[in-house]
Amino acid sequence: VIWMTQSPSLLSASTGDRVIISCRMSQGISSYLAWYQQKPGKAPELLIYAASTLQSGVPSRFSGSGSGTDFTLTISCLQSEDFATYYCQQYYSFPYTFGQGTKLEIK
Amino acid sequence: QVQLVESGGGLVKPGGSLRLSCAASGFTFSDYYMSWIRQAPGKGLEWVSYISSSSSYTNYADSVKGRFTISRDNAKNSLYLQMNSLRAEDTAVYYCARVLGDYEGLFDYWGQGTLVTVSS
Repeated sequence: VIWMTQSPSLLSASTGDRVIISCRMSQGISSYLAWYQQKPGKAPELLIYAASTLQSGVPSRFSGSGSGTDFTLTISCLQSEDFATYYCQQYYSFPYTFGQGTKLEIK
Repeated sequence: QVQLVESGGGLVKPGGSLRLSCAASGFTFSDYYMSWIRQAPGKGLEWVSYISSSSSYTNYADSVKGRFTISRDNAKNSLYLQMNSLRAEDTAVYYCARVLGDYEGLFDYWGQGTLVTVSS
């Protein structure tokens, strides 16, 4: 099983800020990493896959980077609708696993 | 547009059974792998199972192997999850999700979820 350590668990920021969320794998996964956004009471939505490929319709203020074991999600210029919980997920090998989540809250 | 609508959740006693359904529309269902993912209340996401487009391949998380069965009916554009021998730890919102392209573990569209509560 590939374990994932996502940090921070809680992130306080203001509209207009730039934030970075990290995800570290217990073993290398090449670029088989995705990021999802989940708002309260809603299903997760795919933001980024292949570590850095933006899903169709996702604003360009979201970006992803990394390969191997260390990955980051960057949101530049936070908007009010970006306050949510973010999950990383590896799809390199079965069983597919998710990070524990980062809750992005308004400071 | 792609739509996935789950149903069948509810309250069930430990040891009981439940069958979840997911109705798909807005895409050619028979072309896509599909998956179930769950989320316990206030917790993170856990992948549960996937099924290939023609039902030839299935796979399960160890936590549900031998108790849950995934299936699909391409003629009805529907995905199912038969859950037997339910335990308290199976309590969660269950999402069906479409698999993106050839990546079995990557999910591009999710339903709104259906809540399963296992309690006496």
